[in-house]
This record gives sequence, C-alpha cells and structure tokens, in this order.
Amino acid sequence: DGGITQSPKYLFRKEGQNVTLSCEQNLNHDAMYWYRQDPGQGLRLIYYSQIVNDFQKGDIAEGYSVSREKKESFPLTVTSAQKNPTAFYLCASSITPRGNQPQHFGDGTRLSIL
Amino acid sequence: QKEVEQNSGPLSVPEGAIASLNCTYSDRGSQSFFWYRQYSGKSPELIMFIYSNGDKEDGRFTAQLNKASQYVSLLIRDSQPSDSATYLCAVRGAGGTSYGKLTFGQGTILTVHP
Repeated sequence: DGGITQSPKYLFRKEGQNVTLSCEQNLNHDAMYWYRQDPGQGLRLIYYSQIVNDFQKGDIAEGYSVSREKKESFPLTVTSAQKNPTAFYLCASSITPRGNQPQHFGDGTRLSIL
Repeated sequence: QKEVEQNSGPLSVPEGAIASLNCTYSDRGSQSFFWYRQYSGKSPELIMFIYSNGDKEDGRFTAQLNKASQYVSLLIRDSQPSDSATYLCAVRGAGGTSYGKLTFGQGTILTVHP
C-alpha cells in the first residue's frame, strides 16, 4: 500500500544527544515536510523540501537539521541545540509543493526527554 | 495577529445537529484552503480542500469560502459522536516567504454528544 511511514513511534532523548526521526514515502511525491505539534497547539513547520537535494527552513528550524538525498526519504535530526524537543513530530508529503495539492501525513513520532 | 485563526472551542453539539467550524486568515492572496480532522493522539487526516469562492460539498461535509472576507468554514451535517475530534484549518500562502507553505490554525475541538 502507498503511504508515509514514520519511525519510531516513540523516541526518548538523553541530554546532549542527537536523535534522528525517519520519514519514508512510496507515493512518488516531490514535496516533503516536517511539522512539530505541542499539546493543544496547531502544527508548526520545521523544514520542507520541494525536490531531491534541496530543502528550506520553516518557521522553527533552530535546533533541527534535515537531508533529502532520495526522493522517498526525508529524515529529521533533533540536535542537542533544541532545548525543548518534547513534542509530536509529523512528516507530510504532497505531489507538488504548490497549487491545490493537499499534504498527507504519516502517523507521527512522539519524542520525549529522559 | 495570527496568520490563521480558529476558535479553540470546545464546540459541543448534539448528535444529528449541524456543527459549524470557522477559520479566518490574514494573507489576502492565499489560494487554497484545507480542513483536516485529528483524533486524540493521532495524525491529521484530510477532510476537504477548497480554492474557489462558494461552497464545496462532500457527503456530510460542506466547505465554504469567502475570499473577500478572508473566511473559510466547515459545516458537518447530521453530526455523529465519531465526528468528535480536533479540526484544523490550513491555508496555503500565495506570495513572499509564505509562498507554497501551509499555515495551520490551532484547531477547534468538536464534541458531539448523544
């Protein structure tokens, strides 16, 4: 089945540790996105990629890094510089980054600090 | 002023009634508008999108768009307890730094009681 797979479902980070969240899609979508959701809040854009080997900062990119070496993969690294990483992280993709194409979401990763 | 605003609710309606969810946006050039439903602990799922003024209907759901008033709404007819969720409004920017990006409102919590 086509879809967006995020792993792991739950992740715990120790102080000073970098952790990487995986996002894979087999929909042949060009655009991929990472969002952060805090309790009772909407989604905030961390990074997005419109095409392979290209990505742009979103609204809250500090303390995060990404890569887009393959069309189907867009991993997010939460670095030790992100002082408040506890949140629900959502990966999304769309056929194209513009126009009327909607974004579809993976099941998310919950990150907590140990 | 927030770019996309929704009443956080909770909005409580009886089963069988019409639920009306509202969203206003600040970017007058915005082109397309999306409604997502998010159950507690889950990722958002797309319900509808609209990009032309007027109404768009899909089953029990109707999206209404008024670009002059910068207002988009979602009506849910014959509300069911299974419709109880958080509804997120998302707006795609049209120009400048917001071009192509989705901006989400904070969501409206809907509760449908039997």
